[in-house]
Amino acid sequence: ILNVEQSPQSLHVQEGDSTNFTCSFPSSNFYALHWYRWETAKSPEALFVMTLNGDEKKKGRISATLNTKEGYSYLYIKGSQPEDSATYLCASPNNDMRFGAGTRLTVKP
Amino acid sequence: NAGVTQTPKFRILKIGQSMTLQCTQDMNHNYMYWYRQDPGMGLKLIYYSVGAGITDKGEVPNGYNVSRSTTEDFPLRLELAAPSQTSVYFCASTQTRRAETQYFGPGTRLLVL
Repeated sequence: ILNVEQSPQSLHVQEGDSTNFTCSFPSSNFYALHWYRWETAKSPEALFVMTLNGDEKKKGRISATLNTKEGYSYLYIKGSQPEDSATYLCASPNNDMRFGAGTRLTVKP
Repeated sequence: NAGVTQTPKFRILKIGQSMTLQCTQDMNHNYMYWYRQDPGMGLKLIYYSVGAGITDKGEVPNGYNVSRSTTEDFPLRLELAAPSQTSVYFCASTQTRRAETQYFGPGTRLLVL
């Protein structure tokens, strides 16, 4: 993988559902993996920065895991709420900073 | 702390006009970045700087120029605006290059007609 890729592109879930999405990144010369939450008409806000293989981070109902050997990270949201609706971006810094295209999550009440 | 500030918030340019997008941070961060938001493509890095006096091209630098004369300021210059530069531009800063989160400004919406 040469670029940072995210899947799915968009996701619609019902309130209360748990969901997860994927970020794939180049595993060679790995330094860190960033997750950001980006609400419409606002700026991206940091969720996690992960650096170690096997790392797992949690913030409230949101958690993320990291596999640097195979080059992927999962973001999980437990019991989705309408306020979780946003685009979730991952990014991998190497010589510069490369962002994925994002996963747009819509949580219906 | 104001964090990262950007001006203007919104601007309409005619094709061929030039303008400077301003970005200032008050966190004494060494690293600063300019991104553009392309629909369905997330954020694309235009230019970045690792400190005053040092700048480097990102993924999509054509049509833009930057300078970094101080730690606080990182202006982005469009010399000959083109419709393809219609976008939302975000400035960001961080203390270290890779393992710390980036702090983003509120964005500048640019429309080139």
